[in-house]
Amino acid sequence: QVQLVQSGSELKKPGASVQVSCKASGYTFTSFPINWVRQAPGQGLEWMGWINTNTGNPTYAQGFTGRFVFTLDTSVSTAYLQISSLKTEDTAVYYCARDPSSWNDYWGQGTLVTVSS
Amino acid sequence: QSALTQPASVSGSPGQSITISCTGTSSNVGNYKLVSWYQQHPGKAPKVMIYEDTKRPSGVSNRYSGSKSGNTASLTITGLQAEDEADYFCCSYGGRNTFYVFGTGTKVTVV
Repeated sequence: QVQLVQSGSELKKPGASVQVSCKASGYTFTSFPINWVRQAPGQGLEWMGWINTNTGNPTYAQGFTGRFVFTLDTSVSTAYLQISSLKTEDTAVYYCARDPSSWNDYWGQGTLVTVSS
Repeated sequence: QSALTQPASVSGSPGQSITISCTGTSSNVGNYKLVSWYQQHPGKAPKVMIYEDTKRPSGVSNRYSGSKSGNTASLTITGLQAEDEADYFCCSYGGRNTFYVFGTGTKVTVV
């Protein structure tokens, strides 16, 4: 069965970096793009961007350029989100999701990133 | 691009029907047949309920249906049940420059 399994919660200090992983199984990883979605505490969903799992080419939404980087390791069917120079306002749950055709059919369980001094 | 507009809350009694609206623009909701709806229970990942405006994924109850008129999409839940109590988000494709925009979210309460 299709699964996206994300790495565990992270507690970081402002200015640090964090990497969130999203390991796919149950399908051919390079057949579907991966979207990244942020949800701040008590807030709605925000699309961060996507990565083409065939080419590795990332696309970032407005507001997610510069400190946010999407990468892949296709040898282990895993997508990564790296956030650098963390700010307290980056505290959120980050989700990866598979995109079959302009919608998200399978989601990771989410990774809580807490940024606090 | 601004978030799609949804009512903050909608409530209904068990067995009733409710409809959640999702208003966008002619650049997103009104221009593509690519609105999806997601249900999210507290502490859980979102789950797709409707995609491509009106299609229901395998395994989703037929009590859920999607529709659209102009720049406004709607999600209707019939025969409301306690398990339907959750947050619901719409999402639309908005073209190659914007890609996706989510709605503001609606809390559904079964009273």
